[in-house]
Amino acid sequence: DTEVTQTPKHLVMGMTNKKSLKCEQHMGHRAMYWYKQKAKKPPELMFVYSYEKLSINESVPSRFSPECPNSSLLNLHLHALQPEDSALYLCASSPTQSGYNSPLHFGNGTRLTVT
Amino acid sequence: GDSVTQMEGPVTLSEEAFLTINCTYTATGYPSLFWYVQYPGEGLQLLLKATKADDKGSNKGFEATYRKETTSFHLEKGSVQVSDSAVYFCALSDRDFGNEKLTFGTGTRLTIIP
Repeated sequence: DTEVTQTPKHLVMGMTNKKSLKCEQHMGHRAMYWYKQKAKKPPELMFVYSYEKLSINESVPSRFSPECPNSSLLNLHLHALQPEDSALYLCASSPTQSGYNSPLHFGNGTRLTVT
Repeated sequence: GDSVTQMEGPVTLSEEAFLTINCTYTATGYPSLFWYVQYPGEGLQLLLKATKADDKGSNKGFEATYRKETTSFHLEKGSVQVSDSAVYFCALSDRDFGNEKLTFGTGTRLTIIP
């Protein structure tokens, strides 16, 4: 069982919809991440939060809006998405952002389809 | 910039065969190296890691040795099982304080046939 929980598991939304992806961890980790994974590709980093502050934004379009309400929760708000945004969205956490010594724990992802 | 190159897949082996998945890297500093595995319908799981040259990471019968002289971190297993069928990602994380992030290879899909 994964220790990083993502909801929902599947999401279908239209291009005019607003939806949110949620991620939760109770391991006391202080760094949380959003990744996007297209089929047969490696995960691509979108955002990193460290101690609830946005640390890295990989030039993600503004139709994706992250939020970290507290150290256990991470949200990704979606608005006016395009069909090419359809992908598996993975949340991850680590004890600190210091990735060289702090491996990531991934959730099972939300499979998003934009119609 | 940092990069990771993995052998092209897919790789298909018979059960109990020997496995090698090649991984080489380019980094400006002294990175840590990782192998992650993704089973069908799941997120990624850390398989093993090595944080300095000549370190050997091992887990579940898999091994990889951090070779600085050849900038490699090849994954090996002596006898694979059907349950090892998955996608394997080599990754590195460089020591860039405040900007640490994983750089992934393209992944290698492994299928084990009974």
